[in-house]
Amino acid sequence: EVQLVESGGGLVQPGRSLRLSCAASGFTFDDYAMHWVRQAPGKGLEWVSGISWNSGSIGYADSVKGRFTISRDNAKNSLYLQMNSLRAEDTALYYCAKDMRAVAGQDFDYWGQGTLVTVSS
Amino acid sequence: QSALTQPRSVSGSPGQSVTISCTGTSSDVGGYNYVSWYQQHPGKAPKLMIYDVSKRPSGVPDRFSGSKSGNTASLTISGLQAEDEADYYCCSYAGSHVVFGGGTKLTVL
Repeated sequence: EVQLVESGGGLVQPGRSLRLSCAASGFTFDDYAMHWVRQAPGKGLEWVSGISWNSGSIGYADSVKGRFTISRDNAKNSLYLQMNSLRAEDTALYYCAKDMRAVAGQDFDYWGQGTLVTVSS
Repeated sequence: QSALTQPRSVSGSPGQSVTISCTGTSSDVGGYNYVSWYQQHPGKAPKLMIYDVSKRPSGVPDRFSGSKSGNTASLTISGLQAEDEADYYCCSYAGSHVVFGGGTKLTVL
């Protein structure tokens, strides 16, 4: 059974940093691209970032480019999101999502339950 | 990186069919055959319903179908059931990034 378990969310002040993690199991992690997708309270889905199976291809939404860094450790079956210079508008539930392909696309066939990030003073 | 355009809401009675549109540009929806659709019930994670414009993952009922014409993709749900009431999001590959639609709330009357 595929499982994606996010962690690392919490309350953080504007301008500070936070690192999210996603522990994957139930599939061959290094065969697939992975993504972070967020959802602000009461709002729609927003793609944040994606990374290919070997970290050779990485993409970011304009809204986080230069502030967030996605990475993965295939030996640990884990995905990460380093979030710096956090803003109030980054407040959201952050989902880890598995791609159906090795190279990052937009077909997310498994999702975690999300970890909530709240940016507030 | 503008969001794809979806109607805010659609509705239908049980047994009827509804279609949700998703309009983008030649840089996303129109430029690639990589459109997916997600269903999200309140408090739950999204679920993939359609990928690559018209393909259904295993376990998704064939009442759900997808299509695309030009810069507009569509999700059609036939034989509406009460459990289909949810939010639906389209999503498109756009080269260096991915873009979602704003979401459509489906109400089953």
